[in-house]
Amino acid sequence: EVQLVESGGGLIQPGGSLRLSCVASGFTVNSNYMSWVRQAPGKGLEWVSVMYSGGGTYHADSVKGRFTISRDTSKNTVYLQMNSLRAEDTAMYYCAREEKRSFDIWGQGTMVTVSS
Amino acid sequence: EIVLTQSPATLSLSPGERATLSCRASQSVSSDLIWYQQKPGQPPRLLIYDASNRASGIPARFSGSGSGTDFTLIISSLEPEDFAVYYCQQRSIWPLTFGGGTKVEI
Repeated sequence: EVQLVESGGGLIQPGGSLRLSCVASGFTVNSNYMSWVRQAPGKGLEWVSVMYSGGGTYHADSVKGRFTISRDTSKNTVYLQMNSLRAEDTAMYYCAREEKRSFDIWGQGTMVTVSS
Repeated sequence: EIVLTQSPATLSLSPGERATLSCRASQSVSSDLIWYQQKPGQPPRLLIYDASNRASGIPARFSGSGSGTDFTLIISSLEPEDFAVYYCQQRSIWPLTFGGGTKVEI
């Protein structure tokens, strides 16, 4: 079965760091573009970061310089390192696979709450 | 970045009725437009890609159309499970962007 399982979310103080993990099964993470998409409580979807199949990365301006996407092919896992967290980063973070230029597989999400 | 504007924000309909959702892009995205459905407490679900292609397992009552800057998602006859929030997304130019969503409510 093709699926994504995120973990690593939690309550963190402003300025703190977290690393989210997304474990893939049923496919290999280096064969597709893999993205993180977030959703603040009661709000819409916001694309955050992508790791291209070739290894390049790209981040939204709102997180550039603070967030870093990476992968470990031996663990078939994609990560999102989040530093200098702000209250506005509070959201459910979803990992998503891109296939046919659309997100066809989504994880259930991991919640990040930035608050003192 | 490309801004996607969805309308209406809320659509109040009854089961069996036809739903017409709109997504307008601030510049042309060709046919690189995707539709998702999201229910409370769940991740989004892919419905339509390339503006008009139904994803695997999506019922034929869902159809997408449009190109350039104007796109439409039609649900021909609403089933109880179709009441949800619908988002459009463009894949033409990075950064990827989503519309603000249309809530289809009973």
